[in-house]
Amino acid sequence: EDKVVQSPLSLVVHEGDTVTLNCSYEVTNFRSLLWYKQEKKAPTFLFMLTSSGIEKKSGRLSSILDKKELFSILNITATQTGDSAIYLCAVVIGNAGNMLTFGGGTRLMVKP
Amino acid sequence: EAQVTQNPRYLITVTGKKLTVTCSQNMNHEYMSWYRQDPGLGLRQIYYSMNVEVTDKGDVPEGYKVSRKEKRNFPLILESPSPNQTSLYFCASKNRGWSGYTFGSGTRLTVV
Repeated sequence: EDKVVQSPLSLVVHEGDTVTLNCSYEVTNFRSLLWYKQEKKAPTFLFMLTSSGIEKKSGRLSSILDKKELFSILNITATQTGDSAIYLCAVVIGNAGNMLTFGGGTRLMVKP
Repeated sequence: EAQVTQNPRYLITVTGKKLTVTCSQNMNHEYMSWYRQDPGLGLRQIYYSMNVEVTDKGDVPEGYKVSRKEKRNFPLILESPSPNQTSLYFCASKNRGWSGYTFGSGTRLTVV
């Protein structure tokens, strides 16, 4: 059975801290790994990772994939209260790329 | 604006009363999908469609039906809703390939 596990389940930090969110997976027919941010409504896309060791970066957020050890991390530096959200990791499986398996998410709260 | 539009945003209904949640996308995406999100269980795929008249079951299809008569629309039908279908539902669409889905704003359904 395909499985995506995120840790920690939740995290409380103060503004300015750096956080690392983890995503490990065991799936058949891996195609890519995605990170989403979910505030009060729909998940919004952050990154897509397909190759090991290549860091994707967007402002204070960055992510990297390790296909040998089957995990990914999402780093957020100099956190702000606006980073408070649930962060979702999903793995795209299958030849057609139409199926996603999601992890349970990490709830991040950034306090002023 | 490129988007996935779901309606209604909120719905309270009684057990057994048939309902339909509509979903429409304006990005000419081939793939569409329905997810439900429950606390502690994350996002789970209900049904997906890879093209007009092509639909298939996801991880949790029981109690749901879908149809894809036109490329832009993908309604979710609950023929006889039950309280265990109380959940937050997301419609999503994407192009072919291994990229992620674009999500609608969600429909919060309560079945009493």
